[in-house]
Amino acid sequence: EDKVVQSPLSLVVHEGDTVTLNCSYEVTNFRSLLWYKQEKKAPTFLFMLTSSGIEKKSGRLSSILDKKELFSILNITATQTGDSAVYLCAVLLMYSGGGADGLTFGKGTHLIIQP
Amino acid sequence: GAVVSQHPSWVICKSGTSVKIECRSLDFQATTMFWYRQFPKQSLMLMATSNEGSKATYEQGVEKDKFLINHASLTLSTLTVTSAHPEDSSFYICSARGGAATRPQHFGDGTRLSIL
Repeated sequence: EDKVVQSPLSLVVHEGDTVTLNCSYEVTNFRSLLWYKQEKKAPTFLFMLTSSGIEKKSGRLSSILDKKELFSILNITATQTGDSAVYLCAVLLMYSGGGADGLTFGKGTHLIIQP
Repeated sequence: GAVVSQHPSWVICKSGTSVKIECRSLDFQATTMFWYRQFPKQSLMLMATSNEGSKATYEQGVEKDKFLINHASLTLSTLTVTSAHPEDSSFYICSARGGAATRPQHFGDGTRLSIL
């Protein structure tokens, strides 16, 4: 069974701290790994990682994928209260269920940034 | 760019009624749309994938006669929950992708469905 595991499930830090969120996966037919930020409603896309060892960066956020060890990390530096959200990791498989290519999600990391 | 609109955002209805949820890609053509379901404190679970102009592909355990999906155009997919019951109450969220699977999915705001 395909599995995506995120850790920690919840994390409380102070503004200005740096956080590292983890995502490990055990899946067949891996294609790529995606990170999303979910606040109240729609998950918003952050990164899509397909190749190992290449860091993707957007402002204070960065992410990297290790396809040998089957995990990815999402780093947030100099955190702000607006970073408080659930961060979702999802894996895109070559095939899913009946042959479609939807995402398999982890349970998310609930990040709270305290002022 | 890549805006996905989902409507309605919240529905309350009586048991036995059918409910239709719309998902629109506003600024891109969505060749593929996806429907997910999310229970409280759980991850999003893929229900089905629909490609424009063809029948949806349902995940194992999802009743296709219960959850009717139509993807009649490159900007609109609908999910109809037929004869809804309280156990169908959940948060339903769609996503859309333009082009190949190498492109990311973009999500709508979701629909909270409550069946009394």
